[in-house]
Amino acid sequence: SAVISQKPSRDICQRGTSLTIQCQVDSQVTMMFWYRQQPGQSLTLIATANQGSEATYESGFVIDKFPISRPNLTFSTLTVSNMSPEDSSIYLCSVQEGTEAFFGQGTRLTVV
Amino acid sequence: AQSVTQLGSHVSVSEGALVLLRCNYSSSVPPYLFWYVQYPNQGLQLLLKYTSAATLVKGINGFEAEFKKSETSFHLTKPSAHMSDAAEYFCAVSYSGNTPLVFGKGTRLSVIA
Repeated sequence: SAVISQKPSRDICQRGTSLTIQCQVDSQVTMMFWYRQQPGQSLTLIATANQGSEATYESGFVIDKFPISRPNLTFSTLTVSNMSPEDSSIYLCSVQEGTEAFFGQGTRLTVV
Repeated sequence: AQSVTQLGSHVSVSEGALVLLRCNYSSSVPPYLFWYVQYPNQGLQLLLKYTSAATLVKGINGFEAEFKKSETSFHLTKPSAHMSDAAEYFCAVSYSGNTPLVFGKGTRLSVIA
C-alpha cells in the first residue's frame, strides 16, 4: 500500500498570500489527485495531476487559483493562490493503486 | 455520471446498538464502492471496499457492508456500536482503478453511552 507524506499538516495564512502544499508518495504512481474538504463538508476533487502534462481541473477550479506541479512520479504540489477566508479547508492528496485509494493526512488551512 | 447519496447527515445510536449507515449509488457501469472513516482532526481511513467479488464485504473494526445491485445500495453496518466508533463516515464510488473517487456528503455517527 502506498504511503503518502503531506506537508504542512496545518497552517494559518494571511489573506492575499499563497501556500504551497507538498505531497510525496513512497512509490511511483501515474496519477495523483487533489481534494478539498471544506468545513463540515465532503471531499471535492480539485484536479488530477499526471506526470509530464498539465493537470486536469474539475468544474469550479482553475489553474490560476490552484496551480499544480507534478515534476516526477512520486511528488506533486498544490498551491492555493491569493487566499481568502473561503479557502479555509482541508486539502488532501490521493493516489490509487488498482481499486484502492490512499490519502495523505491532509493540510488544514486557515485563512485570516 | 457517478454519484453517491448518503441518507442522514447525522446518525445517533446508543452504545451496543446496531449501526446502520445508508449509501445509495448511481453508476452507469459496475461500480467499485468504498466506505471511509474520518476521526476528528485525522485523515481518511479505508473501512472496506467492494470490487465485484463477494457482495458481503467485511472490513475493519467489525464493520461490514452488503452490495445490493437491485437496490443500488451499499449500506454499512456494525452489530454493536462502541464509543470509539464516533466519527464521520464517507461512502465513495469509482468505476475503474485509475479514476478518482466520488464521495457522498458524509454521515456523522454519534454514540451515546
